[in-house]
Amino acid sequence: AQSVSQHNHHVILSEAASLELGCNYSYGGTVNLFWYVQYPGQHLQLLLKYFSGDPLVKGIKGFEAEFIKSKFSFNLRKPSVQWSDTAEYFCAVINQAGTALIFGKGTTLSVSS
Amino acid sequence: DTGVSQDPRHKITKRGQNVTFRCDPISEHNRLYWYRQTLGQGPEFLTYFQNEAQLEKSRLLSDRFSAERPKGSFSTLEIQRTEQGDSAMYLCASSPRGGSGTSEQYFGPGTRLTVT
Repeated sequence: AQSVSQHNHHVILSEAASLELGCNYSYGGTVNLFWYVQYPGQHLQLLLKYFSGDPLVKGIKGFEAEFIKSKFSFNLRKPSVQWSDTAEYFCAVINQAGTALIFGKGTTLSVSS
Repeated sequence: DTGVSQDPRHKITKRGQNVTFRCDPISEHNRLYWYRQTLGQGPEFLTYFQNEAQLEKSRLLSDRFSAERPKGSFSTLEIQRTEQGDSAMYLCASSPRGGSGTSEQYFGPGTRLTVT
């Protein structure tokens, strides 16, 4: 069965620090990958997605992710975090049938000002 | 804002009672999904509709759970004889007509169920 692993459960950073959140997926075929964010008190929102093409994907709010097929990874990065980036971040892959998202357990990011 | 809406936002019920949740997707979206999220976990897929047809159900969806989308618009999720283990956030998402797996899913705010 497909699965998604997020290595960091809770990350604490100071403002302006660089961020990298790890994500690994299990499926070896064609993958569609996503990063979702959930700000406190808000619903899940899409940060960025990868379907094909350039493995470096840029999303909203200065986030980017790199798809590395050989490592089954899709890590999320941001060069300089802000206090407003405090949120929970979920990596997800679409299942083989293309009908359901399979999520990782999420990473809580806390940014101190 | 014409995003995905869910009702109610919170529900507290006693064990053994039945509960029903409603989801209104974005109007032009023909695909609708239900997920469940418990504390410390990512959302877990429950079921998927394309128009009014329920095309996929997770093994998480026990026989106490039933979902409908009668006219291909709003959807309901009913849980019969609730158990404490059913306490969770129930999320609804929708996506537009498009290539399989390539459409973004838009999530609603969720219904938080507490079973006492």
